[in-house]
Amino acid sequence: EAQVTQNPRYLITVTGKKLTVTCSQNMNHEYMSWYRQDPGLGLRQIYYSMNVEVTDKGDVPEGYKVSRKEKRNFPLILESPSPNQTSLYFCASSLKPVGSGTGELFFGEGSRLTVL
Amino acid sequence: GESVGLHLPTLSVQEGDNSIINCAYSNSASDYFIWYKQESGKGPQFIIDIRSNMDKRQGQRVTVLLNKTVKHLSLQIAATQPGDSAVYFCAESLYGNNRLAFGKGNQVVVIP
Repeated sequence: EAQVTQNPRYLITVTGKKLTVTCSQNMNHEYMSWYRQDPGLGLRQIYYSMNVEVTDKGDVPEGYKVSRKEKRNFPLILESPSPNQTSLYFCASSLKPVGSGTGELFFGEGSRLTVL
Repeated sequence: GESVGLHLPTLSVQEGDNSIINCAYSNSASDYFIWYKQESGKGPQFIIDIRSNMDKRQGQRVTVLLNKTVKHLSLQIAATQPGDSAVYFCAESLYGNNRLAFGKGNQVVVIP
């Protein structure tokens, strides 16, 4: 089954404790992206990756890191989480970048992160 | 499951009626637009897209209308069903720009 898998789905952590949210897709997609979703703000892009070893900042990259060592995986790293990073996070992938004219992003189920 | 958010504009529609969801986009240079649907506890799902050289596109039970003059996008759902209850997001992109900007969403509640 074609899917985007995120882990963990739920996490409560404390300020400053490094964490990683993993994202994996099994569709051989080139493009992957991370979004955060907050009430009243919609979905905002954190980072995206055009392909292996190619990543770039989205609209709200501060406090986050990513890597793309393999095509299928695109982990989101919070080196020193803070309470303002409490949010619902979505990983997404698509065959080609959205700028090429295809908007069919496939989203994961979301990861609810709470930073105390 | 995970809920999308609070205090979104809400459209309540009777089952079987048509729904119209509106979206004002921000960038007059955007040339590609997409509608996504997000059910409670799930990630967004692609519904339909439209390029700026079109003003209308139809899918299965859905139609997207684009008015570039007033930077307005709408999604029409025919014969709304209970499974259409969700939050709907519009998104815009510039060709060649690999970023997608999402609107804040509209909640649709279908009354059986």
